[in-house]
Amino acid sequence: QQQVKQSPQSLIVQKGGIPIINCAYENTAFDYFPWYQQFPGKGPALLIAIRPDVSEKKEGRFTISFNKSAKQFSLHIMDSQPGDSATYFCASRDSNYQLIWGAGTKLIIKP
Amino acid sequence: DAGVIQSPRHEVTEMGQEVTLRCKPISGHNSLFWYRQTMMRGLELLIYFNNNVPIDDSGMPEDRFSAKMPNASFSTLKIQPSEPRDSAVYFCASSLGGGFYEQYFGPGTRLTVT
Repeated sequence: QQQVKQSPQSLIVQKGGIPIINCAYENTAFDYFPWYQQFPGKGPALLIAIRPDVSEKKEGRFTISFNKSAKQFSLHIMDSQPGDSATYFCASRDSNYQLIWGAGTKLIIKP
Repeated sequence: DAGVIQSPRHEVTEMGQEVTLRCKPISGHNSLFWYRQTMMRGLELLIYFNNNVPIDDSGMPEDRFSAKMPNASFSTLKIQPSEPRDSAVYFCASSLGGGFYEQYFGPGTRLTVT
């Protein structure tokens, strides 16, 4: 099965720092790339998403950077806060209109 | 809207017993997904329904697992017989469609099989 490879598995950043989570996909036919955020005891929730016709998308403190030629995309969190501590999942939509999920990154923002 | 509703929130059962997980999707959503989440395997799609019809069940691990969607407002995931390795958090999600549409996840059912 085609994969989406996510790294790092876990990340600890000081408050105010800029955590970066990376994902790589295999199939150039993938055409939609969402990020989901999951807090403990909750289901994942859509955070931000991008399509391959743009290289960057910002929503508040969250930015997706997209490199189509490298088949990579990343999530940046500006001015990170302890409340951003969560598990983050990247995903890609395949040709069957299904989301292929990354393994997740557990992010801890230290006060 | 109440969001996606799942029941029970927690289930503890003994190996060999039948387990039924329930889900009520958001009204008006025509796609429903069942996921399983574990530390070892992450988030796995088990089965996907569109307009109450199973579209892709390739993620269902074994014949012990079955899912139904008798109408647009209700779905079940059944495990019979259950095994300790089935212990996980099971999520139901719904969306307006596949792919581009946001998937709204329920709170999950934490299943423990002893």
